[in-house]
Amino acid sequence: DAGITQSPRHKVTETGTPVTLRCHQTENHRYMYWYRQDPGHGLRLIHYSYGVKDTDKGEVSDGYSVSRSKTEDFLLTLESATSSQTSVYFCAISESKGTGSNYGYTFGSGTRLTVV
Amino acid sequence: AQTVTQSQPEMSVQEAETVTLSCTYDTSESDYYLFWYKQPPSRQMILVIRQEAYKQQNATENRFSVNFQKAAKSFSLKISDSQLGDAAMYFCAYTDTGNQFYFGTGTSLTVIP
Repeated sequence: DAGITQSPRHKVTETGTPVTLRCHQTENHRYMYWYRQDPGHGLRLIHYSYGVKDTDKGEVSDGYSVSRSKTEDFLLTLESATSSQTSVYFCAISESKGTGSNYGYTFGSGTRLTVV
Repeated sequence: AQTVTQSQPEMSVQEAETVTLSCTYDTSESDYYLFWYKQPPSRQMILVIRQEAYKQQNATENRFSVNFQKAAKSFSLKISDSQLGDAAMYFCAYTDTGNQFYFGTGTSLTVIP
């Protein structure tokens, strides 16, 4: 499995401040994803990237931006944090293995973000 | 958007017994993938099992197996010989493009010693 790490693991921040979460992978996967997990909603896609500088929006992208300047790093930024963005954030990579089949995601260990 | 429904927010099972977790999904696609993920209290998301829609044979991974009913759009997970370590939140997930996965709301499984 690919190495994928998220930082920080926990963060408390104040409303209105910018916050950046980092996802780092070591296996040169092309596709990377950011999801948020909330009770009663499961996991929902925020943004994803299909290459350096190539990103696209998911279903809950409002209030978030992403950047991917290197293959291994995918950053998620909350431009002005709100209490509704209190959540657990997961980064994931796609294990498609170039065969056309989909072998699912490998997830990072998640970041619990609390906005007060 | 596709939808994935897990109608059982909580389930419990006696240790060594069998339990089945339900999942239904909505799609107009004929080619797609379905997954079950396990999330223990550590928060890590762990892939349990995967099913390709074009395969009629149900996937099996050790004590975990699925009942995939394509026409009914149903994808249930059966855990046999339940162990204490199986206690977790279980998520059903769907993808067709591979660019987005759709997750259900999860089923919390308790294993009773």
